[in-house]
Amino acid sequence: KQEVTQIPAALSVPEGENLVLNCSFTDSAIYNLQWFRQDPGKGLTSLLLIQSSQREQTSGRLNASLDKSSGRSTLYIAASQPGDSATYLCAMRDANAGKSTFGDGTTLTVKP
Amino acid sequence: KAGVTQTPRYLIKTRGQQVTLSCSPISGHRSVSWYQQTPGQGLQFLFEYFSETQRNKGNFPGRFSGRQFSNSRSEMNVSTLELGDSALYLCASSLGGLAGYEQYFGPGTRLTVT
Repeated sequence: KQEVTQIPAALSVPEGENLVLNCSFTDSAIYNLQWFRQDPGKGLTSLLLIQSSQREQTSGRLNASLDKSSGRSTLYIAASQPGDSATYLCAMRDANAGKSTFGDGTTLTVKP
Repeated sequence: KAGVTQTPRYLIKTRGQQVTLSCSPISGHRSVSWYQQTPGQGLQFLFEYFSETQRNKGNFPGRFSGRQFSNSRSEMNVSTLELGDSALYLCASSLGGLAGYEQYFGPGTRLTVT
């Protein structure tokens, strides 16, 4: 059974800092990994998608990496801004069963 | 291009009643997945439909069911509601099949069971 863990559960940083969010998973047979952000009471917004055959993806100030051998993915946010404050979730789609498993998220607060 | 839409956005029901939630995927998307989100359990997978067929199912009781129509719109039904069913129900669509499974989420339906 796929388990996804996100550490830390919460993170508070001053504006302008670069930061890394971590996502670890137990089963390396993944189809893809997707990073989302969720604002309070809202749905999820897709940030980056990494296919199983890829190592990383970049979009603006965001960079996500995938290392299947170690069971880890990281989301790097450069030059953080107060508008980046949200909960960040990673999700693994299983290559065999086709189900998606989500981590519990990291709640990020960026202070002005 | 319009995003994923979910109706209704908010719902209050009484224990024992049943409820139907609706999800309209992005145009051209054939896969629809449903999730339940609660503070204690996080985001949990309910089921996935592709071309009107249920492809995957999570670990939820049979009171939770769904279906997908020929236009890819999907409905989720919960019968005999329990207090613990209070949650944010999220729907996600993706192209599906060989086109891939990048998920796009709707705003959710907030269900409160009293």
